[in-house]
Amino acid sequence: DAGITQSPRYKITETGRQVTLMCHQTWSHSYMFWYRQDLGHGLRLIYYSAAADITDKGEVPDGYVVSRSKTENFPLTLESATRSQTSVYFCASSSFGQEHRETQYFGPGTRLLVL
Amino acid sequence: QQQVKQSPQSLIVQKGGISIINCAYENTAFDYFPWYQQFPGKGPALLIAIRPDVSEKKEGRFTISFNKSAKQFSLHIMDSQPGDSATYFCAASISGGSYIPTFGRGTSLIVHP
Repeated sequence: DAGITQSPRYKITETGRQVTLMCHQTWSHSYMFWYRQDLGHGLRLIYYSAAADITDKGEVPDGYVVSRSKTENFPLTLESATRSQTSVYFCASSSFGQEHRETQYFGPGTRLLVL
Repeated sequence: QQQVKQSPQSLIVQKGGISIINCAYENTAFDYFPWYQQFPGKGPALLIAIRPDVSEKKEGRFTISFNKSAKQFSLHIMDSQPGDSATYFCAASISGGSYIPTFGRGTSLIVHP
């Protein structure tokens, strides 16, 4: 099925461990994004990518690393997880169709708990 | 600095009532204003969007009202239904720019049957 998928959907890890969240889209959208969603903060941008091999920081990039070697994949790595990184993480990609040029298509999310 | 301010944070409405969520922005370069709807356990999804060349856009029971001079836009949900219970996010972005939207903090809407 075409769309944007995230894996794993749920993850429990321990402080200090490295965790990688995967994101895959089948639309060949050029832009991809990582957000975290926390109560009271809404959606906060962590990193984004305009194209393969082009990434840039968002609002809350500290403690995260991204890469984008292929257009369709945009993994997010927590190099040394902390409890403050417990959150719901959403990957999104941007459409540049005629009607909704800047529409963001979101994945189902990954719920991460850092103990 | 919060560039898009959304209110209220939560809203409870009776079935059949009108739900109104407001957003205000600061950057006059914004020219695309979408609303996203998020059901529990799901990712946000585009609900409706407007550009500043019109003051209102309606899709079914959902209407965006846009006031360029006041730098405000709002979502109206007519005849609210329990199935509309969700979190709603407003956003704003600049066409031809980085396409990165600035999101409001969200409004949790509960529609009682």
